Amino acid sequence: DAGITQSPRHKVTETGTPVTLRCHQTENHRYMYWYRQDPGHGLRLIHYSYGVKDTDKGEVSDGYSVSRSKTEDFLLTLESATSSQTSVYFCAISLTSGGATYNEQFFGPGTRLTVL
Amino acid sequence: AQSVTQPDIHITVSEGASLELRCNYSYGATPYLFWYVQSPGQGLQLLLKYFSGDTLVQGIKGFEAEFKRSQSSFNLRKPSVHWSDAAEYFCAVGEWAQGAQKLVFGQGTRLTINP
Repeated sequence: DAGITQSPRHKVTETGTPVTLRCHQTENHRYMYWYRQDPGHGLRLIHYSYGVKDTDKGEVSDGYSVSRSKTEDFLLTLESATSSQTSVYFCAISLTSGGATYNEQFFGPGTRLTVL
Repeated sequence: AQSVTQPDIHITVSEGASLELRCNYSYGATPYLFWYVQSPGQGLQLLLKYFSGDTLVQGIKGFEAEFKRSQSSFNLRKPSVHWSDAAEYFCAVGEWAQGAQKLVFGQGTRLTINP
């Protein structure tokens, strides 16, 4: 499972409140990603990180911010949650070993977020 | 921008029958292609991948996929499905950026198995 954990696994919150989701990995992989999964859309990339403090936007980044202050943690923040952000959020990593990046991504178990 | 289309939202097959799930992509360069499977309530598991070389690739659980550049397709096949194959299947294409590989997914195909 590439040592990926996500917390919380489930969260219900109200519109307008801030929410932070955490992705934690134990194997020092450089590249990390946040996706959201919605019916009919598959998974869509929100943000990704290519190193500590190095992040960039994905396809659906509006309303989200990220931070990566250390290799093992990649945080996704909804500054002011809206009902359209109700979704399942997946963190992923690209495996790296010996400086080489392997091309497949491995996914965490997901966080189900409901915004009322 | 690259895109992936999975034309079939839902497919039902009988146990023991053959399976083909369709995937079409739009990408300017040589694509990096993937198939993932997601069982209900679970995360995604990589079935197989194509980067270069032999256009017929083998994956886990008896799945294979064939890359056809002329048709921009990467269809997933299995000769005989089992009830445990019931799941949602996602095709994806990868795009490199800053050394990272951003995945663009299709909408998914939900597979139901009849006993």
